[in-house]
Amino acid sequence: DAKTTQPPSMDCAEGRAANLPCNHSTISGNEYVYWYRQIHSQGPQYIIHGLKNNETNEMASLIITEDRKSSTLILPHATLRDTAVYYCIVRVVGGSEKLVFGKGTKLTVNP
Amino acid sequence: NAGVTQTPKFQVLKTGQSMTLQCAQDMNHEYMSWYRQDPGMGLRLIHYSVGAGITDQGEVPNGYNVSRSTTEDFPLRLLSAAPSQTSVYFCASRNPGRDGYTFGSGTRLTVV
Repeated sequence: DAKTTQPPSMDCAEGRAANLPCNHSTISGNEYVYWYRQIHSQGPQYIIHGLKNNETNEMASLIITEDRKSSTLILPHATLRDTAVYYCIVRVVGGSEKLVFGKGTKLTVNP
Repeated sequence: NAGVTQTPKFQVLKTGQSMTLQCAQDMNHEYMSWYRQDPGMGLRLIHYSVGAGITDQGEVPNGYNVSRSTTEDFPLRLLSAAPSQTSVYFCASRNPGRDGYTFGSGTRLTVV
C-alpha cells in the first residue's frame, strides 16, 4: 500500500472549517483513501473513504485531487469534540488487510 | 448492537505470565483484526482474520497467537508476557469490500 504523509499537528478555531491534508503521491489506481480519527484514549473511528470522486457524509467531506496524489479531509464546522488524531490511510479494496497507520495529524480545536 | 467489545479494559501481568485478550463483535463482520498502540506511535497490526478458521500475521505478530473458531470472536493470546508487550490493544472488525473498520474501546495491558 502507498505511504501517506500528514502534518504532525494543526490548530483550528471552534466553528470554523478544519482542513486536514494528506499526501499520497505513490497511490496506485486501485487504492482507496480512508480517514480515521482517534479521540484521546478511545478506539479509532472510521470517518470516510473515497477513490477519486469527492465524498461527503454526516461527519466530513473528502476532497481528492484529480491526480489523486493528495487529499483533504474537511470538517465543516469544527467543535471541541473534534479534537483528535486524524489518520489518512490508503489501501487496495480486496487486497491486504495490513492497514498501516502512520502517526497522523493531531488536530486541536480551540474555543 | 454493542459493536466490538473488548475485555478486560485493564490488565497487569507479570513477566512470563500468559493471558487472553477477548474480542467479540455482534455485527456479523467477516474480517477482524488486532492492533497495538504504543505511546507516540500509530497503530500496528498484530494479526488479522478474514473469516472463521482463517488467520494471518500482521506487522508485529511475534509473541502473540490468535484463532478464529466463530465469526463473532477473535481472541488474542500472549504466550509469555514481556515488558515490551506493554501497550494498548485494539480489536476491530468490518465487512469485506470498501467498508471501514469498527474498533473496540481497547485493553490497556501493563507487563511488569
